[in-house]
Amino acid sequence: QQQVKQSPQSLIVQKGGISIINCAYENTAFDYFPWYQQFPGKGPALLIAIRPDVSEKKEGRFTISFNKSAKQFSLHIMDSQPGDSATYFCAARSAVGSQGNLIFGKGTKLSVKP
Amino acid sequence: NAGVTQTPKFQVLKTGQSMTLQCAQDMNHNSMYWYRQDPGMGLRLIYYSASEGTTDKGEVPNGYNVSRLNKREFSLRLESAAPSQTSVYFCASTWGVNSPLHFGNGTRLTVT
Repeated sequence: QQQVKQSPQSLIVQKGGISIINCAYENTAFDYFPWYQQFPGKGPALLIAIRPDVSEKKEGRFTISFNKSAKQFSLHIMDSQPGDSATYFCAARSAVGSQGNLIFGKGTKLSVKP
Repeated sequence: NAGVTQTPKFQVLKTGQSMTLQCAQDMNHNSMYWYRQDPGMGLRLIYYSASEGTTDKGEVPNGYNVSRLNKREFSLRLESAAPSQTSVYFCASTWGVNSPLHFGNGTRLTVT
């Protein structure tokens, strides 16, 4: 019940296209859902985050869509660029137990082709 | 503004050797974490320290020990390295549960 399931494992998108990465969870106590972006040789960095009281959050070309009833959330990257090529991790945090530690998905490696 | 600094960047050990991975943050964060990253496995929590003076096990603590030396520093020790501990290790820190995690750039460890 503590898992966050992320798909796909890898994604290839043409420049200018839309990249979509999906995550699903079971624990209804999760109340914070961030996405992290990781470039090769670097640590992950927070990209965008959402709380379950809103259905969508947009920051520039990056949008999180959240479906509380389906227990799913997704990252959309509009007008994808080669510079967006990275590994993306979804995560979830519960306010109850586990000291509020983040549970990460297994990651999606995105390649944006020029 | 260094953020989270990890040393060393790379390390090769033989089975049975010991070593300590160092982590320091200059953001005055309360909580610090050690993760390991393996292909297809995502980020798995090894140990964490919610505040200075406390440490707790995460998802995969076996074979590791930690020390929260002070508010800035959190070290991870491998007492007797095994090939299964070949991984990239990340240290992270945060103010608390409602704040983002800040990661270091990792230590790539190979155990032969």
